[in-house]
Order: sequence, then C-alpha cells, then structure tokens
Amino acid sequence: SQTIHQWPATLVQPVGSPLSLECTVEGTSNPNLYWYRQAAGRGLQLLFYSVGIGQISSEVPQNLSASRPQDRQFILSSKKLLLSDSGFYLCAWRPSDRDGSPLHFGNGTRLTVT
Amino acid sequence: AQSVTQPDIHITVSEGASLELRCNYSYGATPYLFWYVQSPGQGLQLLLKYFSGDTLVQGIKGFEAEFKRSQSSFNLRKPSVHWSDAAEYFCAVDMDSNYQLIWGAGTKLIIKP
Repeated sequence: SQTIHQWPATLVQPVGSPLSLECTVEGTSNPNLYWYRQAAGRGLQLLFYSVGIGQISSEVPQNLSASRPQDRQFILSSKKLLLSDSGFYLCAWRPSDRDGSPLHFGNGTRLTVT
Repeated sequence: AQSVTQPDIHITVSEGASLELRCNYSYGATPYLFWYVQSPGQGLQLLLKYFSGDTLVQGIKGFEAEFKRSQSSFNLRKPSVHWSDAAEYFCAVDMDSNYQLIWGAGTKLIIKP
C-alpha cells in the first residue's frame, strides 16, 4: 500500500532563517506531488505541484520554492522566512496515470515564524 | 470560471441529529467529486468520491453524498452524528484543469452534546 510521510510535524523558526520541509511517498512511482498551505482559519491554498522529477509548477508568487530531486521526494524551501509564512503546510500525492484520482495527504507541518 | 462553493462556514448540530453539508460547483461538464475531513492539526482524509454511475455514494465513517447534476451539487450527509465527527469538511472537484483539484473553503462542524 502507498504511504506518505511529511516532517517535521511542528517547527518554530525565527524571521530570516531558512526552511526545509520534506515529503516522501512510498509504494507508488511517478506520482503527482503537491504542497498546500492553510493559514489559520482559512482554506487550502495550492503552492506548488510536480508531475515529474525536476518539474515544478508554482501557483502563487511567494517567498517559497519547491524541488523534486527524486521521483517520490518533494521538498519545500525558503532562504529567508517571513512572518507571513506561518501556517499549516500539507504535502499530498495522487497517481499520475488515473483520471480523477483523489489526493492523499500527509499529516502536515505546523510552521510558526517568530 | 470554475469554482466550488461551500456556503456554510460553520454548522452546529446536536449529537445524534442528522447532518447535511452543502457543496455546489460551477463547471460545464460532470467533474470528479470528493469530500474530505480534517481534524484539528491533522491532514485531510478522504471520506468519499464520485466518478460516475450511481449518484448516491457511500463513504467511510457512515457518511454518504448525493450527486445532483441538475443542481450542480454534491451534498454530504450523515443520519446521526457523533461527537467525534466534529472537524472541518472540504468539498473538492476535479474539473480536469491542470492536475489540480478545486477546493471549497470548508465547513466547520460543531457538535452540541
């Protein structure tokens, strides 16, 4: 069966510090991968998605970047965090070869920028 | 423009009462439809999905949803809610647009004892 791992679960970082959140998927190959953010009390905002190694699409201009160095690894990064980067970050995957497949989510990372 | 609307930001129901959460979408064809649940501090869990065929879909945790093409709706129902159902519920739609799902803003379900 397929599983998705996302870490860390919580993170407190000062303004101006770098960020690296990691997500890995097991039990499948060539998944579509996604990074979402939820601000407090808000819905889901798609940040990035990837349909293959090295292929990243950005949905909103921001202080963050994403990379996919391996087929089942998706990394969210920032060189210098802003207060507005605080939120709940979710990684998700779905099969790339089946129309209408649902997204499967990790447990999320709670990021607080102080 | 393609969109998904969950008109209720919050809904409060008594434990044991029935529940219906509304979801409407704007799209010219029949999309793939999903309901997810999110407990506080957790990721989203898939409750059920509609692809085609029978318009009444059964999901996990006793939930069901009915697709109504004429109303562009996919409402989530449960005959009798339990305190553990308190969570936020998201409707999502795959309109075949660029690998993404279109998400509703979510409905927070509060259970009264």
